[in-house]
Amino acid sequence: NAGVTQTPKFQVLKTGQSMTLQCAQDMNHNSMYWYRQDPGMGLRLIYYSASEGTTDKGEVPNGYNVSRLNKREFSLRLESAAPSQTSVYFCASSVVGINQPQHFGDGTRLSIL
Amino acid sequence: AQKVTQAQTEISVVEKEDVTLDCVYETRDTTYYLFWYKQPPSGELVFLIRRNSFDEQNEISGRYSWNFQKSTSSFNFTITASQVVDSAVYFCALQNYGQNFVFGPGTRLSVLP
Repeated sequence: NAGVTQTPKFQVLKTGQSMTLQCAQDMNHNSMYWYRQDPGMGLRLIYYSASEGTTDKGEVPNGYNVSRLNKREFSLRLESAAPSQTSVYFCASSVVGINQPQHFGDGTRLSIL
Repeated sequence: AQKVTQAQTEISVVEKEDVTLDCVYETRDTTYYLFWYKQPPSGELVFLIRRNSFDEQNEISGRYSWNFQKSTSSFNFTITASQVVDSAVYFCALQNYGQNFVFGPGTRLSVLP
């Protein structure tokens, strides 16, 4: 019962490097999300995918791109990493529908030097 | 606009004390949903409870209880007889009908032995 799996768990990048964070869920959920967590700011939505084949911007999309590869997988890409993108990134998934809790992965701690 | 405020940044209590975590939300919608998540030191986010705006019944689950008051736009969380394992960051979240989650900044609870 893996739930939501994120890889890698930790990563250090240099400014300007690119990287893709991977997320996969095995709960047959339609909706998937990427958040970033910064001290004192809670979780902020970067991008989401309400269903396979669709993606939409969240609150803080600048500097990121996403791909909903299939129903299970939703990746987040940093094309040119910046120190301001140092954060903990969480992927989540949920059943389609209102009032449905989101299930989170364990997070990826990303540092940009 | 949606907004969630958790005014208590950090709380410290001694084991066996009761503690209440405050959550105040703002929304113009009449249909919305409220959630609490726990983030223990290991980093994962654990869903605790959800409540819809039409159900103001308080809920008790073991040592946990939730008090939802629409009149004050609050959804407070009380831990009775706190334990060291309750030490975590707790997030309150709001979801308007058909929209994405908005998380509060979190409250860090430290339960001292």
